[in-house]
Amino acid sequence: GENVEQHPSTLSVQEGDSAVIKCTYSDSASNYFPWYKQELGKGPQLIIDIRSNVGEKKDQRIAVTLNKTAKHFSLHITETQPEDSAVYFCAAALQTGANNLFFGTGTRLTVIP
Amino acid sequence: ETGVTQTPRHLVMGMTNKKSLKCEQHLGHNAMYWYKQSAKKPLELMFVYSLEERVENNSVPSRFSPECPNSSHLFLHLHTLQPEDSALYLCASSQTLAGGPRTGELFFGEGSRLTVL
Repeated sequence: GENVEQHPSTLSVQEGDSAVIKCTYSDSASNYFPWYKQELGKGPQLIIDIRSNVGEKKDQRIAVTLNKTAKHFSLHITETQPEDSAVYFCAAALQTGANNLFFGTGTRLTVIP
Repeated sequence: ETGVTQTPRHLVMGMTNKKSLKCEQHLGHNAMYWYKQSAKKPLELMFVYSLEERVENNSVPSRFSPECPNSSHLFLHLHTLQPEDSALYLCASSQTLAGGPRTGELFFGEGSRLTVL
């Protein structure tokens, strides 16, 4: 089955700096890559996703890039703010089905004011 | 507020107890899920229901028993659990089994923190 690896497990940045979280996947058939943000005491929430026919996608301060050849994708957060502090999960899906999502182990991002 | 409500938020039980976790979604979704979240591990999919029918059971021990009486409610019945079952149990829903407008989007509840003594 699919295996998703996520790095780093923890990340601390100064407010205003950028943060990058990287994930790799094993199955070249995966074609859907969402990112979820989990704030303390909350469930994960989708923040951005990308499909395999696109190399990059942006939404305000967050962006995701995908390299299908290398089988890795990354989340980029610019101008970080304290409210960006959370655990971020990447995931990969073999098909666009919510029951086929394979999650990474999460990255705890801390933004230092 | 994600539209998915889980109760109780915290539960402590002994290994011989029987308890249930409840999930209710107010989004009109047709698919519901149970996930287990343990520290430093990926989210583990346990059960998937579509239109009240179970479509997936990922080799979950029989001490976990799901129930989906209708498309808005999902239960996880717990019986003779082990300490290693202590975790955060997350319920999620999606518009259809294939996801919503943002295909694959799951809407999660806040979770039930289970501690097995």
